[in-house]
Amino acid sequence: DVVMAQSPLSLPVTLGQPASISCRSSQSLVYSDGNTYLNWFHQRPGQSPRRLIYMVSNRDSGVPDRFSGSGSGTDFTLKISRVEAEDVGVYYCMQGTHWPLTFGQGTKVEIK
Amino acid sequence: EVQLLESGGGLVQPGGSLTLSCAGAGFTFSSYDMSWVRQAPGKGLEWVSGIRAGATTTYYTDSVKGRFTISRDNSKNTLYLQMNSLRVDDTAIYYCAKAIRTPANWGPGTLVTVSS
Repeated sequence: DVVMAQSPLSLPVTLGQPASISCRSSQSLVYSDGNTYLNWFHQRPGQSPRRLIYMVSNRDSGVPDRFSGSGSGTDFTLKISRVEAEDVGVYYCMQGTHWPLTFGQGTKVEIK
Repeated sequence: EVQLLESGGGLVQPGGSLTLSCAGAGFTFSSYDMSWVRQAPGKGLEWVSGIRAGATTTYYTDSVKGRFTISRDNSKNTLYLQMNSLRVDDTAIYYCAKAIRTPANWGPGTLVTVSS
């Protein structure tokens, strides 16, 4: 199975400051159709996950533009330009290229 | 607005069976691949199974192969997960999601507890 390694696993952040989460896969996530199926999700306590970013860098409708995704091959990053209080929770990367699909361990973001 | 609503969770003994349902609304259900993802208490997300829009192809994670069966009834806009030979480590909230490779919308989930 493809292992998705996120870092850090815990991220204390200051309101208004930037934050960055890394996600590295054990195999390239480029699919035979040329697309890279790397997604980012945000989960608040007691809620379902919400997709933020799909195929590396495409922001979902309604997702603030302070969120951005980048990367290629096996190395990917989610950045928050200025953290707001509503951004707390756990962030997961997920690969949709290789069966079985797999998630990262999650990164817990909290306010300092 | 896309809506997904899971049902069918509950308490079951080890070795027992349970069938989950997921009702979809607000989109053309028959045109979309669908997935099941689970989350054990206090743990991360685990992709469980997926099914193509036309139900022609199904996919499973190794730990549920031979025990779980995903299916769908496009005339009822409903996705199913039949779970047999349940184990304690199958205890989790089970979410259905629209799409497989890029799960977009998720339901609120239904809790399955496997315990004696």
